[in-house]
Amino acid sequence: GAGVSQSPRYKVAKRGQDVALRCDPISGHVSLFWYQQALGQGPEFLTYFQNEAQLDKSGLPSDRFFAERPEGSVSTLKIQRTQQEDSAVYLCASSSRGGSLGKNIQYFGAGTRLSVL
Amino acid sequence: AQKITQTQPGMFVQEKEAVTLDCTYDTSDPSYGLFWYKQPSSGEMIFLIYQGSYDQQNATEGRYSLNFQKARKSANLVISASQLGDSAMYFCAMSRDVTGANSKLTFGKGITLSVRP
Repeated sequence: GAGVSQSPRYKVAKRGQDVALRCDPISGHVSLFWYQQALGQGPEFLTYFQNEAQLDKSGLPSDRFFAERPEGSVSTLKIQRTQQEDSAVYLCASSSRGGSLGKNIQYFGAGTRLSVL
Repeated sequence: AQKITQTQPGMFVQEKEAVTLDCTYDTSDPSYGLFWYKQPSSGEMIFLIYQGSYDQQNATEGRYSLNFQKARKSANLVISASQLGDSAMYFCAMSRDVTGANSKLTFGKGITLSVRP
């Protein structure tokens, strides 16, 4: 597809379970971002990759959150020992460094809605 | 640190009329990018319009225009000729680099727009 693809769209986890959320960025996009969106709020930054390098992980709320992008394309956000406060929509965005100024914006996927029971 | 403020809790507009969604921002960065995204009930964040801090002219994209007042630190979105499909959450966001391609976006809390037939 032409856009950012995220899977699964919905995930229900029991408290304490580990989950893995997948993001397929737009082909050729160098930059990849993860955001967390709580109900009724705006998205909040989690982490940023440029190719396979994780350049900023300042937004990860705890060491239970881990993200990787080993080949500079697909990325996985992993949450270990999930807790109820992890319930949110997790959004992935990608952008290109090339092209004309103003066009290198972040394009978002539809998100994964995580519910921790 | 960057901050986006969207204080309108909800907006209503009659179909075919114009509506302005307010956004004020705060930053100490000399250059930055400003963005508006639309999030319908399906959850995907859809890019609408972008304004670079150095741009002299207000950005326009079809029915969307951004009223950029740098001295007042405001970046209001104007939607002309509202359509029923415009009903959604609207988020204002900013980045530390002009394009937003390589730095995180800071989002406001969003505004709910409802278009009445």
